[in-house]
Amino acid sequence: GAVVSQHPSWVICKSGTSVKIECRSLDFQATTMFWYRQFPKQSLMLMATSNEGSKATYEQGVEKDKFLINHASLTLSTLTVTSAHPEDSSFYICSARKTGTSGELFFGEGSRLTVL
Amino acid sequence: GESVGLHLPTLSVQEGDNSIINCAYSNSASDYFIWYKQESGKGPQFIIDIRSNMDKRQGQRVTVLLNKTVKHLSLQIAATQPGDSAVYFCADLLWGYNQGGKLIFGQGTELSVKP
Repeated sequence: GAVVSQHPSWVICKSGTSVKIECRSLDFQATTMFWYRQFPKQSLMLMATSNEGSKATYEQGVEKDKFLINHASLTLSTLTVTSAHPEDSSFYICSARKTGTSGELFFGEGSRLTVL
Repeated sequence: GESVGLHLPTLSVQEGDNSIINCAYSNSASDYFIWYKQESGKGPQFIIDIRSNMDKRQGQRVTVLLNKTVKHLSLQIAATQPGDSAVYFCADLLWGYNQGGKLIFGQGTELSVKP
């Protein structure tokens, strides 16, 4: 159990367009989900915490208007990269915590975004 | 751990040898640590975790050691196999942020196993 699915797994878009990435917990409910970004040969950097039914909490330096997060249900969080530019090209990874628990997170397989 | 955007250090070992991967963390309030394995193009996979009330925890072929005095964590892999080649990250849970805390990743180490 505890499977987290991301879609799409990879996407290529033109500069200036917006891209939506979905993160779903398939067999559990997740009140809290997290979005990370990872550049090649670097670590995972936490971008924001996605809270079901409320606004996301962004880490310092992450533009909330650029990276829109919506967590409308207990099994789905979406990250929209608005007006994407080549520097937004990265590997975006989500993770989810089972509702009612603390600590361990379950990770998705990541979504690779390439902006031309 | 605190990710500072540096490039990954690498560790190369011979197949069958033991591997030791180190990690330093900065938050003295952290009380839960996890080691993850990440293969190229995939999300992190949970390997083993340890709470701060323990110094050592063992799994299958892996052992995690925690030294709270110097804020140091290590992952030991016994009889390293080619399938162990990956990037390994330590992560610690930062509490007081929301219920359950948020997970912060360390720099990571790229392990390469030579046959």
